[in-house]
Amino acid sequence: DGGITQSPKYLFRKEGQNVTLSCEQNLNHDAMYWYRQDPGQGLRLIYYSQIVNDFQKGDIAEGYSVSREKKESFPLTVTSAQKNPTAFYLCASSTTGRGYNEQFFGPGTRLTVL
Amino acid sequence: GENVEQHPSTLSVQEGDSAVIKCTYSDSASNYFPWYKQELGKRPQLIIDIRSNVGEKKDQRIAVTLNKTAKHFSLHITETQPEDSAVYFCAASVGGSARQLTFGSGTQLTVLP
Repeated sequence: DGGITQSPKYLFRKEGQNVTLSCEQNLNHDAMYWYRQDPGQGLRLIYYSQIVNDFQKGDIAEGYSVSREKKESFPLTVTSAQKNPTAFYLCASSTTGRGYNEQFFGPGTRLTVL
Repeated sequence: GENVEQHPSTLSVQEGDSAVIKCTYSDSASNYFPWYKQELGKRPQLIIDIRSNVGEKKDQRIAVTLNKTAKHFSLHITETQPEDSAVYFCAASVGGSARQLTFGSGTQLTVLP
């Protein structure tokens, strides 16, 4: 299961705390993505980045922040402003060529707010 | 923005039977339609995709059809096996260098032995 990794696998947080989820890839992909997965709702895009030092909001960015200082890394911070943060978080990466670019997913982090 | 609807949300079939999952999309500019399979506790993995210049694509027991006029596409699995049991997601993408995927809500497929 190399290529794209996420840590930790399980994370517990108290209300009012910020927490950062790690995502690393060694696929030399330019684009990286963060999704949130809730039961029965599919995958919803939080943030995405097409290149280092640049990122855009997805459909549900409120209460989240990201950075893209290195090509290999795209950490996601879940802030205390996120009203319902308990969810399964998936990171993905892809190339950005003119073709149709498959997104490769990491194993996910399950965040539980206590 | 794009909206993708997926049906049914759950599907049970007998081993050896066929399964069909349907998706509709709203943005006529969408031109890439992948399908992902997610086994319990694992990451989604691409199983097949189709582009808007093609009406049908097959890969062994899996096929996908696309009707651009009606804006819907379907996944067909023939001769289902227990290992096909998983959640299946359709997705649609509008062009761009970093293709943003809009996912359907998923279908839990259970293949009964």
